[in-house]
Amino acid sequence: DGGITQSPKYLFRKEGQNVTLSCEQNLNHDAMYWYRQDPGQGLRLIYYSQIVNDFQKGDIAEGYSVSREKKESFPLTVTSAQKNPTAFYLCASSIAAGGEQYFGPGTRLTVT
Amino acid sequence: KNEVEQSPQNLTAQEGEFITINCSYSVGISALHWLQQHPGGGIVSLFMLSSGKKKHGRLIATINIQEKHSSLHITASHPRDSAVYICAVRSTGNQFYFGTGTSLTVIP
Repeated sequence: DGGITQSPKYLFRKEGQNVTLSCEQNLNHDAMYWYRQDPGQGLRLIYYSQIVNDFQKGDIAEGYSVSREKKESFPLTVTSAQKNPTAFYLCASSIAAGGEQYFGPGTRLTVT
Repeated sequence: KNEVEQSPQNLTAQEGEFITINCSYSVGISALHWLQQHPGGGIVSLFMLSSGKKKHGRLIATINIQEKHSSLHITASHPRDSAVYICAVRSTGNQFYFGTGTSLTVIP
């Protein structure tokens, strides 16, 4: 089955700890994206990658980092510098940049 | 001001009713997407359109490029249609902008 997987579904961390969210796709898509969703707000783009070994900051990249060492994988690290990390995080991919996006199931991160 | 505005924010309907969700946008676009987000959080793409009208089962999406407006219609609504419906646009500069979503509840 082709698709995008994110793990874990729920994640709890203490303030001051870095945490890495996993995103894997087997759709052979070049482009991958990370979004953050907060109540009452639209999805906001954190980082995106158009191709392996390349990525660009989105609208709210501060406090986050990513890597794209493999086509299938685009992990997101939420660092201790992110002031308000508790949110729902969605990963997506598309065949090419700007194409129709396919979303993963999301990871709900709670930092206390 | 958001580049994408949706209305209504919340909608409650009786099973069987015809439903319309509206989306207006302010940027030049190459495509508009309608997405469905279920309570668990996962998002599914319903439609991608750049002109005219598309139909999938009981769902119909229309777009008017001149008026920068799109509508999503659900005919014969059912409780399983209860979800958040999100309008998103891909700008001519290849940026994505998302609306805040319309929360639909269909009551049996």
